[in-house]
Amino acid sequence: EVQLVQSGAEVKKPGESLKISCRVSGYNFTNWWIGWVRQMPGKGLEWMGIIYPGDSDTRYSPSFQGQVTISADKSISTAYLQWSSLKASDTAMYYCGRLSGNYLPRWFDPWGQGTLVTVSS
Amino acid sequence: QSVLTQPPSVSGAPGQRVTISCTGSSSNIGAGYDVHWYQHLPGTAPKLLIYGDNNRPSGVPDRFSGSKSGTSASLAITGLQAEDEADYYCQSYDSSLSGSLFGGGTKLTVL
Repeated sequence: EVQLVQSGAEVKKPGESLKISCRVSGYNFTNWWIGWVRQMPGKGLEWMGIIYPGDSDTRYSPSFQGQVTISADKSISTAYLQWSSLKASDTAMYYCGRLSGNYLPRWFDPWGQGTLVTVSS
Repeated sequence: QSVLTQPPSVSGAPGQRVTISCTGSSSNIGAGYDVHWYQHLPGTAPKLLIYGDNNRPSGVPDRFSGSKSGTSASLAITGLQAEDEADYYCQSYDSSLSGSLFGGGTKLTVL
C-alpha cells in the first residue's frame, strides 16, 4: 500500500526556520514526482512545487519560488518543505502528494494527511 | 481571482444531479491540458476523484464523472448523497505560468 506520512503540527515564531517532512512507503521513492500543496485558513488549495527524487529536479510555482525550498532524501524515502524565515502568512495546512501521469499536469494520488504550521508571535 | 474559475458554492437535494464548472482559458484548459478533480472534506486529505478529464480511479463511484469542452471542464455528481458534502477542486496546467494550478474550489451543500 502506498502511504505518505507527514510530520506533526508545528508552532513557530516569525523569523524562525522550519523543515517539515513527508515519508513515503509502498513504492520506489526515486521513480515518482512528489509535490506540496498549501491551504491557508478558510482558503483553497495552492500548488507550491514538485520534486523528482531520482535526480532532485525541482519545479516551483512562481508564487512560491524563493519563498520555500523543496528537497528529498533518497536514503530515507522522505521529501521536505522548508522555510528559512517564517512569516505569519505562512500559517497554513501543508499537504504532500505523489504525482502520477505522463502528461501535464500530473495528478496527486495519494496524499499525506497534512501538516499544520502555525506562525505566531 | 483564480486562473481556473469555479463557482464558490453549489447545492442540491439528495438524489439530485449537480455539476461544478471549472472555467479556464486558452493557456490552460483550452490548450488541451488535462483536468483533474479532487474532493476535500475538512480535516482530511484531499481525494482524487477524476484524472485525465474523465477517468475515475478505482474505488470512486460512477456517480462522479468529468467532462471537458473548449476552455471549460465540469464535474457531475448524480444521485447526491449526504456524504458528498465537501469542497471540490479542479486542477490543470497553465503554459503562461509554466506550472500546475488549482481552481478556487467549490463548496457542495447537500440540502
